[in-house]
Amino acid sequence: DGGITQSPKYLFRKEGQNVTLSCEQNLNHDAMYWYRQDPGQGLRLIYYSQIVNDFQKGDIAEGYSVSREKKESFPLTVTSAQKNPTAFYLCASSIWGGLATGELFFGEGSRLTVL
Amino acid sequence: GQQVMQIPQYQHVQEGEDFTTYCNSSTTLSNIQWYKQRPGGHPVFLIQLVKSGEVKKQKRLTFQFGEAKKNSSLHITATQTTDVGTYFCAKLQGAQKLVFGQGTRLTINP
Repeated sequence: DGGITQSPKYLFRKEGQNVTLSCEQNLNHDAMYWYRQDPGQGLRLIYYSQIVNDFQKGDIAEGYSVSREKKESFPLTVTSAQKNPTAFYLCASSIWGGLATGELFFGEGSRLTVL
Repeated sequence: GQQVMQIPQYQHVQEGEDFTTYCNSSTTLSNIQWYKQRPGGHPVFLIQLVKSGEVKKQKRLTFQFGEAKKNSSLHITATQTTDVGTYFCAKLQGAQKLVFGQGTRLTINP
């Protein structure tokens, strides 16, 4: 089955620790995205990548880092510099230029709680 | 970034009643997309509108794009419990950034 796999589904971390969220897709999509969702709110873009070895900051990139070494993978690291990291994190992908004609495909999300 | 405003934020209806959510932008939109997120789930694409005045239907769902391409609406006729969830509109910013509205959370009394 083609799709996007995010792991872990739930994650707890102590303050001051970095944590990496995994996102893998087998849809052969060029573009990948990370969004953050807080309770009762919309989705805010953290980072996005259109091709391998290239990525751009979204609207709320501070305290986060990403890499895109493979087309299939776009991991997100939530660093200790992120002041309010507790949230639901969603990874998505689209075909190249797809947003003009297509849509985002989302993973099931990773729920991060900072204790 | 430039936002899309969605209203209402919450809507509670009796099963069988109609439901409408509106999405408004201060700038002209190249297109608008709609997504549905079930409680505890992830957003799922519903539709994309591109043309001025466009109307598209998916069974009981009717999507409209305003003539000036600054607003859009989603109307559900005769809601069912399976319609529960949050409905988001999203606009394209630049070539590859999708900016989401705050969403309208629909709850239904069976």
